[in-house]
Amino acid sequence: EDKVVQSPLSLVVHEGDTVTLNCSYEVTNFRSLLWYKQEKKAPTFLFMLTSSGIEKKSGRLSSILDKKELSSILNITATQTGDSAIYLCAVEAVGQAGTALIFGKGTTLSVSS
Amino acid sequence: DTEVTQTPKHLVMGMTNKKSLKCEQHMGHRAMYWYKQKAKKPPELMFVYSYEKLSINESVPSRFSPECPNSSLLNLHLHALQPEDSALYLCASSQGGLAGGETQYFGPGTRLLVL
Repeated sequence: EDKVVQSPLSLVVHEGDTVTLNCSYEVTNFRSLLWYKQEKKAPTFLFMLTSSGIEKKSGRLSSILDKKELSSILNITATQTGDSAIYLCAVEAVGQAGTALIFGKGTTLSVSS
Repeated sequence: DTEVTQTPKHLVMGMTNKKSLKCEQHMGHRAMYWYKQKAKKPPELMFVYSYEKLSINESVPSRFSPECPNSSLLNLHLHALQPEDSALYLCASSQGGLAGGETQYFGPGTRLLVL
């Protein structure tokens, strides 16, 4: 059965800290790994990773995929209170019905001032 | 236009009501999805509609029934729902190509409350 596991499930840090969120997966027909940030609304897209070892960056956020280890990390440097959210990792897999995302349970990040 | 739209934004219904949720995209995507999301949980896939083929998640109760009038529209018909069906219902779309490497774009969701 396809699965995506995120760790830790929750994390509390102080403003300015650097955090690393983990995602590991076991899926057939892997195509890509995506990171989303979810606050009170629908998830917003952060990164899509398809190639191993290539870091993607956006401001204070960065992410990298390790296909050998079947995992990915999401780093957030100099955290701010606005970074508080649920971070979802999803793996895209291609099945008989086409493409769908398999989500992890998410990491709840709380950044205190 | 990279937007997926959903209506209504909020819906309150009784257990005997019949209602429909609507989703629309104009990105030329050939795959559309319905997800259900409970509070503090990741979205759970309900249905996938891809290249005119509908896949049903067998764990989804029959009181939910999807409909795809055309490649840009996806409806979710609701009938005789239970209070535990209260959730955020998300629609997403993707290009639907078999090559993979796609991103699913989410709509803002419909927040449903069943009384």
